[in-house]
Amino acid sequence: NAGVTQTPKFQVLKTGQSMTLQCAQDMNHNSMYWYRQDPGMGLRLIYYSASEGTTDKGEVPNGYNVSRLNKREFSLRLESAAPSQTSVYFCASSPEGRGRPDTQYFGPGTRLTVL
Amino acid sequence: AQSVTQLDSHVSVSEGTPVLLRCNYSSSYSPSLFWYVQHPNKGLQLLLKYTSAATLVKGINGFEAEFKKSETSFHLTKPSAHMSDAAEYFCVVRPMNRDDKIIFGKGTRLHILP
Repeated sequence: NAGVTQTPKFQVLKTGQSMTLQCAQDMNHNSMYWYRQDPGMGLRLIYYSASEGTTDKGEVPNGYNVSRLNKREFSLRLESAAPSQTSVYFCASSPEGRGRPDTQYFGPGTRLTVL
Repeated sequence: AQSVTQLDSHVSVSEGTPVLLRCNYSSSYSPSLFWYVQHPNKGLQLLLKYTSAATLVKGINGFEAEFKKSETSFHLTKPSAHMSDAAEYFCVVRPMNRDDKIIFGKGTRLHILP
């Protein structure tokens, strides 16, 4: 039981390049989330998915797209990376769906640097 | 709209002394409240959660928090700090109203002095 896994662990991009961050969970959770963490800012929600086939914007969605590929997988895409997207990205999952907010389980993070 | 304020960005305590990490929130609807811990270069792990049951919530590793609606607070405490408690702690507000988003506090870094 791996929990929430993220790939890659580290990535360096040049401005304008694109990439996809992968996230998978094996806990049969309904909800999945993408956050970014910047020093002194806490975690900010980029996008979330309450169930397979649905996605919603969070606090800071600009410059990102997501795909809930199936119940297990939730990917985050940067179409044209910018230095402001340098951050640590965390994926999380939660059993709740549209129900009462529940515990989130976090992946180990992806450290992204955009030059 | 809701918000969460962690009143201290850094807290230093000596090993064996009590820990108090402060969190105040505002929410239009009855929220669920969480504390998460993040050790260096790791993901976040749940410490405890309040979801409208008992107002005093016990979590892992000896931590507990008390929900005080009148003070809109959810402070995290531990009677005796251990070196392994050195980490960053996040207070999180999750409203029942799905139009409001999950809000993380900016974090409190806990330093344990030997």
